[in-house]
Amino acid sequence: NAGVTQTPKFQVLKTGQSMTLQCAQDMNHNSMYWYRQDPGMGLRLIYYSASEGTTDKGEVPNGYNVSRLNKREFSLRLESAAPSQTSVYFCASSEYGGPPGNTIYFGEGSWLTVV
Amino acid sequence: GQQVMQIPQYQHVQEGEDFTTYCNSSTTLSNIQWYKQRPGGHPVFLIQLVKSGEVKKQKRLTFQFGEAKKNSSLHITATQTTDVGTYFCAGVRGYQKVTFGTGTKLQVIP
Repeated sequence: NAGVTQTPKFQVLKTGQSMTLQCAQDMNHNSMYWYRQDPGMGLRLIYYSASEGTTDKGEVPNGYNVSRLNKREFSLRLESAAPSQTSVYFCASSEYGGPPGNTIYFGEGSWLTVV
Repeated sequence: GQQVMQIPQYQHVQEGEDFTTYCNSSTTLSNIQWYKQRPGGHPVFLIQLVKSGEVKKQKRLTFQFGEAKKNSSLHITATQTTDVGTYFCAGVRGYQKVTFGTGTKLQVIP
């Protein structure tokens, strides 16, 4: 039982390049999330998927797109990377979006640098 | 939008000293969660508080939810080096409405 697995762990991009962060969970969770973490800013929600087939914007969606490929997988795409997108990205999942099943389980993180 | 602030942002303590972090929400919460992130790691769920005035303990950690359900605290008694990390609260306002606090980074000096 791996939990939440995300790839790649580290990536360096040039400004304007595109890339996709992959995420999969094996806990049969309904909800999945993408967060970014920047120093002093805490964890900010980029996009979430409440259930298979749905996606919604979070707090900081600009410059990102997501795809909920199936119940297990939720990918995050940067179409044209900018230095402001240098951050640590966490994929996460929860059984449901509300209590009592809303404990959030995080992946190990992806360190992205845009130069 | 909802804001969840934590203070202090950083805290250095001598091993054995106590530590407290405070979490304040601009809006009333339905419940609050606490997470711990070790250096270089990912956030890990610690606990969820639901009731007004609720107090829960996990060994040396005491969690409290305010009477008005707008604030919370985490108190660690007699810190150890294993307590090092960043502690986040997450305010839950309802379905899919979770806002993480800014976090408190704890350093424990041996």
